This record gives sequence, C-alpha cells and structure tokens, in this order.
Amino acid sequence: SYELTQTPSVSVSPGQTASITCSGDRLGDKYASWYQQKPGQSPVLVIYEDKKRPSGIPERFSGSNSGNSATLTISGTQLMDEADYYCQAYDRNTVVFGGGTKLTVL
Amino acid sequence: QVQLVQSGSELKKSGASVKVSCKASGYTFTTYSINWVRQAPGQRPEWMGWINTNTGNPTYAQGFSGRFVFSLDTSVSTAYLQISSLKAEDTAVYYCARDHMPWDVWGTGTTVTVSS
Repeated sequence: SYELTQTPSVSVSPGQTASITCSGDRLGDKYASWYQQKPGQSPVLVIYEDKKRPSGIPERFSGSNSGNSATLTISGTQLMDEADYYCQAYDRNTVVFGGGTKLTVL
Repeated sequence: QVQLVQSGSELKKSGASVKVSCKASGYTFTTYSINWVRQAPGQRPEWMGWINTNTGNPTYAQGFSGRFVFSLDTSVSTAYLQISSLKAEDTAVYYCARDHMPWDVWGTGTTVTVSS
C-alpha cells in the first residue's frame, strides 16, 4: 500500500519560514494536499492540488510538489500557525494521509 | 455558510452498535460525495471510504468493510456512519468531509469511546 512520510516535528521562531515535507514514491506525479489541525479541532484544508490556497487561507501558506516530495511552506510564521499538519494524496482510488508534523512556534 | 454538523459524543460497550450522523447545510447535499475518516488518539487521520450522495453507493477502504456501513437520508441532507460489534480499537474521533477541492469542509467530529 502507498505510504506518505513526514518529519514528526518542526520548530520555528515567529516571523521565520517553516518548511514541512511529505515523502512518497513518485509523489510528484500525484496531487498533494495539506491540512492544518489544532488540538481538539477538525482539520482545515490549507493547500490543495500541490500549491493552490482555498479562499480564506493566508498568503503565507504555499506549497510545491516534485519528484518524491511535497513541501508546505509557511512564510512569516505566526503563533497561530502552531498545529499539526498532515499531507494527503490519492493513490489508485485510495486516500492516504501522512503521519503528521507538529509545528511548534517559539 | 457551508457546514457539516455531526452528532454528539458516544460512550458504548464492546459489542454494541453506534450510528453517527453528519448533517450538511449551506449547499446542495447531492452535489458532492461524503468521505468518512477515523482518527484514533494521537494518530493520523485514516480514510474509511466515501458515499456517493447522488446514488447512495458506498465505497469502503481496505479494513472498513463488514462492520461499517455508510448510508444517507437526502430528505434531511444527512449522511450516516454505523459501526456494529464495537471493539476497543474503534475508540476514535470520526469525521465526515465534503469531497470537493479535495476535502474543503470537514464535520465537527464525533468522539466514540468503547469500553469493556
């Protein structure tokens, strides 16, 4: 079965750039999406189709995807961005999530 | 606004059944399919499958056939997840999510706790 792998944790200082990666076999051939989940809340879509932002998502969130890795980049990270981030992709009509990355802003 | 409101938390004994509801509002319910997701404590979301809200046809992910049933009541714009023969490992938060962009709206989540 297809697997997506994420670094368990990333730390960043406020105002700096955070990069969160998601790895999977030929992931660049698929569309990657990213979800933000804060404790006790439902996930929120922040990036879809590799680099598109849904309405209401700040411009500081951006995405890329090529080769075997997709990356979520948060520029000018704010305290409110502290959360778990999950990547998602489709593989042969199956939906797969990465293991998640805990972003700490301190 | 578009939202999916789920039923409240459930505490069940092993072997019992539970039915979780997901009520849609703010859009035409039959336009988008509904996905179901399980998230065990401290774990990644796990896709359980989806149901076509036009035809009512369900598709179950590997590991979620048999005890898990997706259904609809389009007259009240609601999708349902029923789990039978509950086990301790079914303890989790269950989410519904609208199949658009790819999943732009998630439900409020329903915590199901299974005790022995």
